[in-house]
Amino acid sequence: NAGVTQTPKFQVLKTGQSMTLQCAQDMNHEYMSWYRQDPGMGLRLIHYSVGAGITDQGEVPNGYNVSRSTTEDFPLRLLSAAPSQTSVYFCASSTPTGGPYEQYFGPGTRLTVT
Amino acid sequence: AQKVTQAQTEISVVEKEDVTLDCVYETRDTTYYLFWYKQPPSGELVFLIRRNSFDEQNEISGRYSWNFQKSTSSFNFTITASQVVDSAVYFCALGASGAQKLVFGQGTRLTINP
Repeated sequence: NAGVTQTPKFQVLKTGQSMTLQCAQDMNHEYMSWYRQDPGMGLRLIHYSVGAGITDQGEVPNGYNVSRSTTEDFPLRLLSAAPSQTSVYFCASSTPTGGPYEQYFGPGTRLTVT
Repeated sequence: AQKVTQAQTEISVVEKEDVTLDCVYETRDTTYYLFWYKQPPSGELVFLIRRNSFDEQNEISGRYSWNFQKSTSSFNFTITASQVVDSAVYFCALGASGAQKLVFGQGTRLTINP
């Protein structure tokens, strides 16, 4: 049981490049989320999903796309990277049993946009 | 709107001292959940506690204790006899019942000096 996995751990992009941050969980959790962590601002929700085929925007969705074709995977796409997207990105999953709900976080992806 | 405020940006104490991390929240929901997470220097997010709005009993887990007071909208975290391994950033978070979205405070960086 690997929990929540994220790849890559580190990434450097040039402004305007696109990339996808991968997130996968093997706990059969219905809910998955993406947060970004910036100094002095805590974690802020980007997008979330309550099940396969269902996604919704969080607090800071601009510049990011998501899709949820399977229960296990929830990739985050940056279509045209900007320096303001330099951050640490965390993926999380949770289950509605008894919640809300402890969120299980992945190890994070540190992204730098130059 | 929901909001979490951790007014203490940084705290530094000497080992074995007791230390309290403050968390004040705002919500219009009558049912909600409060969380504390620890982020050690390695960067991962470690779940510490979840408390629902109907349970105001204080909780103790080893050297950790939590004081939940609805009257002041606070959910403070105390570490007794602090140790160097307690050095980390600590986040308080708020989630509405039935929702999978967490709102995080800005975090408090705790440094325990030997």
